[in-house]
Amino acid sequence: DSGVTQTPKHLITATGQRVTLRCSPRSGDLSVYWYQQSLDQGLQFLIQYYNGEERAKGNILERFSAQQFPDLHSELNLSSLELGDSALYFCASGGTGDTGELFFGEGSRLTVL
Amino acid sequence: AQSVTQPDIHITVSEGASLELRCNYSYGATPYLFWYVQSPGQGLQLLLKYFSGDTLVQGIKGFEAEFKRSQSSFNLRKPSVHWSDAAEYVCAVVTTSGTYKYIFGTGTRLKVLA
Repeated sequence: DSGVTQTPKHLITATGQRVTLRCSPRSGDLSVYWYQQSLDQGLQFLIQYYNGEERAKGNILERFSAQQFPDLHSELNLSSLELGDSALYFCASGGTGDTGELFFGEGSRLTVL
Repeated sequence: AQSVTQPDIHITVSEGASLELRCNYSYGATPYLFWYVQSPGQGLQLLLKYFSGDTLVQGIKGFEAEFKRSQSSFNLRKPSVHWSDAAEYVCAVVTTSGTYKYIFGTGTRLKVLA
């Protein structure tokens, strides 16, 4: 158990819809990272938050947004969904300390029909 | 540009056979190096990591990896594979200039034959 909690584990929705994925980081971790893993593709970095502030942005579409709340949980909002948005979305926390190790949640599998 | 290459998308080995999964990186300095394992329906679990010192590192589940600076490689090995090792293995490089930046390989899917 990594200590990172993601909900929901599975989500099926239709094109054009909007969904929200939730992540609770490990206790004590201030950073939250969001990654997208599509079929046969590696983990693509979307965005990082640190203590409520956006720290780094990767290949995140404009239809996607995220935020980190005062209690440090984070939400990833995906809107105007397209078939190609079907993927596993991972949240991770950590990324600090001597080696910057990341701890991953179990992921949220999004299927867009 | 910084990158991580895992040349083998799929590998199939027989149970009890040895295993080597390849990982090559492109980065101007010595990065931190990680191997993660991803089982179906699970998140990524850290197998082992290298950040300094002995270039042969031991990890969990009997895995080891060797950092070879001259080859920009960090290959993962296991002397005898078990059926439960079937999973996706992902190599990651963490750049060490400024804030940590993770770069992940595309993964190698391991199949184990009984």
